[in-house]
Amino acid sequence: EVQLVESGGGSVKPGGSLRLSCAASGFIFNKAWMNWVRQAPGKGLEWVGRIRSKTEGRTTDYAAPVRGRFTISRDDSKNTLFLEMNSLKTEDTAVYYCGTDGTYHDYVWGSSFSKDFDSWGQGTLVTVSS
Amino acid sequence: EFVLTQSPGTLSLSPGERATLSCRASQSDGTTYLAWYQQKPGQAPRLLIFDASSRATGIPDRFSGSGSGPDFTLTISRLEPEDFAVYYCQHYGGSRGSFGPGTKVDIK
Repeated sequence: EVQLVESGGGSVKPGGSLRLSCAASGFIFNKAWMNWVRQAPGKGLEWVGRIRSKTEGRTTDYAAPVRGRFTISRDDSKNTLFLEMNSLKTEDTAVYYCGTDGTYHDYVWGSSFSKDFDSWGQGTLVTVSS
Repeated sequence: EFVLTQSPGTLSLSPGERATLSCRASQSDGTTYLAWYQQKPGQAPRLLIFDASSRATGIPDRFSGSGSGPDFTLTISRLEPEDFAVYYCQHYGGSRGSFGPGTKVDIK
C-alpha cells in the first residue's frame, strides 16, 4: 500500500524555522517526483514546490512566495522527503501536504515518466504566530 | 506571472446533471500540462485528469478533460452524490505548478 506520512508541523514565531518530513512507503521512492502543497485555513490549494528524481538530478522548483526561504530535499536511501522552511511569515500558516508528482513506469521496451501516480499524506499543520 | 483562472466560482447542480468547469491560463502556449484535482473537506486532493485529457488510474469515466493552452474544461457527465466537492486545475509544465482558485460544486 502506498503511504505518505508527514511530520514536523507545529507552532513557530515569525522569522523562525521549521523542518517538515514526509516518510514514504509502498512504492519505489527514488523514481518518483515529489511535491509539497499547502492550504491555508479556509483557502484553496497552493503549490509550494517539487523535487525531481535522481534521473533529473533531484532538481527543484519553487513557487514565488517561498523561493529563497524554503528548500525541498530528499533522502532516497531513507525514502524521505523534506521541506526546510526559514524566515517564516504569518502567511505561511497552513496545512502542508506532501504528494507524488508522477513517476517512471517500467515497460518491456523501457521506462517512461507519467504524472499518473497520485498519493498524498494526511497533512501537517504549521502555525506561524507571535 | 503565470495565473490560472477558474469559472464559475460555485456551481450548484443536482445529482444526475452534467457539470462543466473551466480553467484558463494567463499565457497561451498550447500546453497540455494541465491537471484536475478533486478535494473534499478535511481530505487531501485527488488527481482526476492529467495531460489535459488523460484520466488518472481508478477515476470513473464520467470524468473527462479537454482543451489546450489557454482554455481547459473538466466535464462530469452525470453527477454522483460523492462528486460534490471543490475542483482545482493545476499547470505543471516546466518549472510551474500553480493551482487555480477552485470551483465548488455543491448540491442545488
